[in-house]
Amino acid sequence: DTEVTQTPKHLVMGMTNKKSLKCEQHMGHRAMYWYKQKAKKPPELMFVYSYEKLSINESVPSRFSPECPNSSLLNLHLHALQPEDSALYLCASSQDRGSSTDTQYFGPGTRLTVL
Amino acid sequence: QKEVEQNSGPLSVPEGAIASLNCTYSDRGSQSFFWYRQYSGKSPELIMSIYSNGDKEDGRFTAQLNKASQYVSLLIRDSQPSDSATYLCAVLTGGGNKLTFGTGTQLKVEL
Repeated sequence: DTEVTQTPKHLVMGMTNKKSLKCEQHMGHRAMYWYKQKAKKPPELMFVYSYEKLSINESVPSRFSPECPNSSLLNLHLHALQPEDSALYLCASSQDRGSSTDTQYFGPGTRLTVL
Repeated sequence: QKEVEQNSGPLSVPEGAIASLNCTYSDRGSQSFFWYRQYSGKSPELIMSIYSNGDKEDGRFTAQLNKASQYVSLLIRDSQPSDSATYLCAVLTGGGNKLTFGTGTQLKVEL
């Protein structure tokens, strides 16, 4: 089973709203990722959590705040977003065995629209 | 120089033909290579992974890796209309978790 789930599937929010995206996996993976994908572009890495610790932040604006409550859950808290933040937000997970063959599996994504 | 390069396409092939998708990468130390398929509006789906020089086959898909030339390819045999999608080449870099994507090649399989 290589299932990563994300909620909600769609989210529309105003620039003053606070909302959260959620991601869950039950594969025993120890690395979880947030990506942002704009139309006709490849996914762009935002954050990586390894063993529940933030290991990579790709200079993401502070209006995006990640949280990893446990090894199965990953949240992305959103506040004061801009219309240009509208995109498909993808969560992924991988085993993170420290090897060079770690494979990332993606969730279905959350389509975010900022008005 | 982009780290992972792909021809954006669209690549059009007739149904039943072989589709050949190509990718080059710049980090000579890269060891893991992946092909993801992405349908419009959906998330990337892993098709193939390859780590050693040579060919790796899985059903209608064959991945080819040539580390000396820094080149990885994906062949799709007996192409079907359902194969029409964007194919993303991805390379694991930075010694661990960072997956770098190419811009993707749009494949269209025509009836």
